[in-house]
Amino acid sequence: GDSVTQTEGLVTLTEGLPVMLNCTYQTIYSNPFLFWYVHYLNESPRLLLKSSTDNKRTEHQGFHATLHKSSSSFHLQKSSAQLSDSALYYCALSDRTGNTRKLIFGLGTTLQVQP
Amino acid sequence: GALVYQYPRRTICKSGTSMRMECQAVGFQATSVAWYRQSPQKTFELIALSTVNSAIKYEQNFTQEKFPISHPNLSFSSMTVLNAYLEDRGLYLCGARDPGKDTQYFGPGTRLLVL
Repeated sequence: GDSVTQTEGLVTLTEGLPVMLNCTYQTIYSNPFLFWYVHYLNESPRLLLKSSTDNKRTEHQGFHATLHKSSSSFHLQKSSAQLSDSALYYCALSDRTGNTRKLIFGLGTTLQVQP
Repeated sequence: GALVYQYPRRTICKSGTSMRMECQAVGFQATSVAWYRQSPQKTFELIALSTVNSAIKYEQNFTQEKFPISHPNLSFSSMTVLNAYLEDRGLYLCGARDPGKDTQYFGPGTRLLVL
């Protein structure tokens, strides 16, 4: 079945260092959408990035990711971590077709940025 | 902007009783609403997808008899957890889709604790 695998558990970084959170997927969809959601405690999960076409980079709020169908990946990156980036990050997968857009989530990666 | 509200944010119920939770989309018309559950130490798992004027589609392991959903209009949905037991505890998220932006917006969730 469809699944999403993320960097597991906790990633701890020092402020200013680059961020990379891995996301790979398995799917029967021939044309999948990949998403990154950021979830701060007691808030709503918020869409951070949505994939574009194959091998095209998408960017938002300093974060970027590129969908690579050849490797089934959509890794989240940022050149310089900020303290405010500390949160839980979910990678999710859906089909591009249809109107329902069922999301399949990974287990989530907690990013902790330290001074 | 697009917002999704959920009520209540936290609730406690006795084992064997039922709990109703609500989801309200503001600022857009939600053509579909998805209900997810995040059990302790797990990721978000889709319970059901509800599209206005269509039958509600439940995922495997979830049934209408256990999780009845109402989706009367494009801004409101409710779900009830009937006969709640310990395994039903967790964070219940509502995701409302804005077709104009092809984006699913999430509420902050209803956290259910079962005693």
